[in-house]
Amino acid sequence: DADVTQTPRNRITKTGKRIMLECSQTKGHDRMYWYRQDPGLGLRLIYYSFDVKDINKGEISDGYSVSRQAQAKFSLSLESAIPNQTALYFCATSDERERSEQFFGPGTRLTVL
Amino acid sequence: AQKITQTQPGMFVQEKEAVTLDCTYDTSDPSYGLFWYKQPSSGEMIFLIYQGSYDQQNATEGRYSLNFQKARKSANLVISASQLGDSAMYFCAMREGPSNYQLIWGAGTKLIIKP
Repeated sequence: DADVTQTPRNRITKTGKRIMLECSQTKGHDRMYWYRQDPGLGLRLIYYSFDVKDINKGEISDGYSVSRQAQAKFSLSLESAIPNQTALYFCATSDERERSEQFFGPGTRLTVL
Repeated sequence: AQKITQTQPGMFVQEKEAVTLDCTYDTSDPSYGLFWYKQPSSGEMIFLIYQGSYDQQNATEGRYSLNFQKARKSANLVISASQLGDSAMYFCAMREGPSNYQLIWGAGTKLIIKP
């Protein structure tokens, strides 16, 4: 089984709809992240969480919110989706070591019409 | 200013040749880490190699090595004996500071290995 899972894998929605993307991990990591990827721009950090009670905004948090329901679960919400939020969304986890790489989920491809 | 710059949007390399993917970075923090990830066409992000700013030696992981030139602020990824399966997007990312776990990402290089 995958260590970091994301649901749904693909989603098409309409402008103005509320969307939730979910992430679960079995790696036992405290740190979780949400990124979006747009062509030619690499990955940009939306939100990150270092434990259940710690939520932090990243570079591009406007229009998004998150919830850390448990150590293993971190969800991303788009309260009112707009077309420029069409992107590939990744969840990632890491441990507390300085050299720790981030482990990524398979991604969610979101299209907002 | 760009913190991470990958100057090669795309590269074509003959199979079995070595390839170097460029990455330059900009930071004033003496403690930082550099990561390389691979993203095949299937979309997943695969960690390849890590270099810490205080590491005395260049990092190596199998066919991957890092040409780390601290004074030039470059951390180029070298893939030896390229294979068709190496065709993918490659991203360089930086963590600034010893306790900051956010990564700053470059725009990536698309590598295509020709048979």
